[in-house]
Parts: sequence; C-alpha cells; structure tokens
Amino acid sequence: QQPVQSPQAVILREGEDAVINCSSSKALYSVHWYRQKHGEAPVFLMILLKGGEQKGHEKISASFNEKKQQSSLYLTASQLSYSGTYFCGTEISGGGNKLTFGTGTQLKVEL
Amino acid sequence: GAVVSQHPSWVICKSGTSVKIECRSLDFQATTMFWYRQFPKQSLMLMATSNEGSKATYEQGVEKDKFLINHASLTLSTLTVTSAHPEDSSFYICSARDLGQGYYEQYFGPGTRLTVT
Repeated sequence: QQPVQSPQAVILREGEDAVINCSSSKALYSVHWYRQKHGEAPVFLMILLKGGEQKGHEKISASFNEKKQQSSLYLTASQLSYSGTYFCGTEISGGGNKLTFGTGTQLKVEL
Repeated sequence: GAVVSQHPSWVICKSGTSVKIECRSLDFQATTMFWYRQFPKQSLMLMATSNEGSKATYEQGVEKDKFLINHASLTLSTLTVTSAHPEDSSFYICSARDLGQGYYEQYFGPGTRLTVT
C-alpha cells in the first residue's frame, strides 16, 4: 500500500519553513526522500535507515520514527529552488530492496 | 554521485508498434535496476525489479508479456513496450542501486516520455 504524505500541497513565501510528513502502514527498513521538478526525474535528497536517526543537509533535514512508521522532512528558510514535488520512498524489511513511493507533496515557494 | 542514463528521452510511436527504452549505469555496476511509470500529477509506480542475469520480478497488475525487461549486463537494462497503445503513454523512469557496494541510495535516470498515437 502506498505511503500517505501530508500535506498534499503547500505554498510558502521565500524564507518560510515547511514540514512534509510520510506515513506508512508497514514496518519500514528505510525511508528515502526525493524532489522532482516538472518533467524531470526525481533527485535524491537523503536516506534514513531504521534506528530513529535524524539527518540534515544544509537547510533540509529529516527524521524517521520507525515505531510509528513515519518520517518527516523539514525545510527551513525555504528558497525558490525548493519548489517541486516531494516524494518519500519507503523500503520495508524483507521487501527486496525496492521502494514504494508516497502520494507526493507539491511545494511552491514564492517571493 | 552515480550517474544513470536513459535513451531515448522522448519518443512518439504509432499504436501497435513496439518501443525499446535503455537504462545504463555509467560509473558503477548495477546489480539491480528498477522500472517505474509515472502518469501526470501522480506518484511513481514501480513496474518491475530487474536483476542482472535473471528474470525480472513484476509488480502486481503489470503485464509481463507487454512490458519486456532484459538485464543482460551489470550496466544495462532494457524495457520494451510491446504493441503499445495510447493508454501506455507515460513517463518511464529507471533507477539503479549498487547493492554490491552496500550503497542504499537509488539513482534515477532522466526518464523517457512515451507518447503513443
């Protein structure tokens, strides 16, 4: 079953923060986050492995709560370049290394 | 980072014809490749997992006789859409993981936009 992301869409003004959530009904081994611009392939942002770790990359960070089977992506001080659709990709334990992508969150950053 | 290429990037074909899409890992050996399909404003849906030297594993609901996958080498996987119809028009994206090195990241190719007329 496809992971559910929230919100479905969000509009920010440049400099504002946002949180994107990803929730799965299955036990997860890892969560991958991607950003996709219109007409392009997804670009890898980060991966979180089970263990409840948190990762960060400049102004984008993420957390993974394996007990709740949830992950959140945090975007701080958003920039225009952050606009796009964000997908979480989840890998379940014993799932054959394949990712199931979430429903997606459209993010638009405006001036 | 690892680079995955796809060819062609864009193809238009007539209904009933077949189309082959190539996916190559350029700077690493991909023991496993994945094929996805994405319709406009929708998420990526996994079609099949391709393992080098063995038969592909198809997801439920994907017709294996229509979407032929071949992973003949550690750097090349192909997807052939046979007897294409307008409903097969979509954005097809491949990805690869080098599990032999323990890398967990999945690298995506640039995608192939297929339009069937």
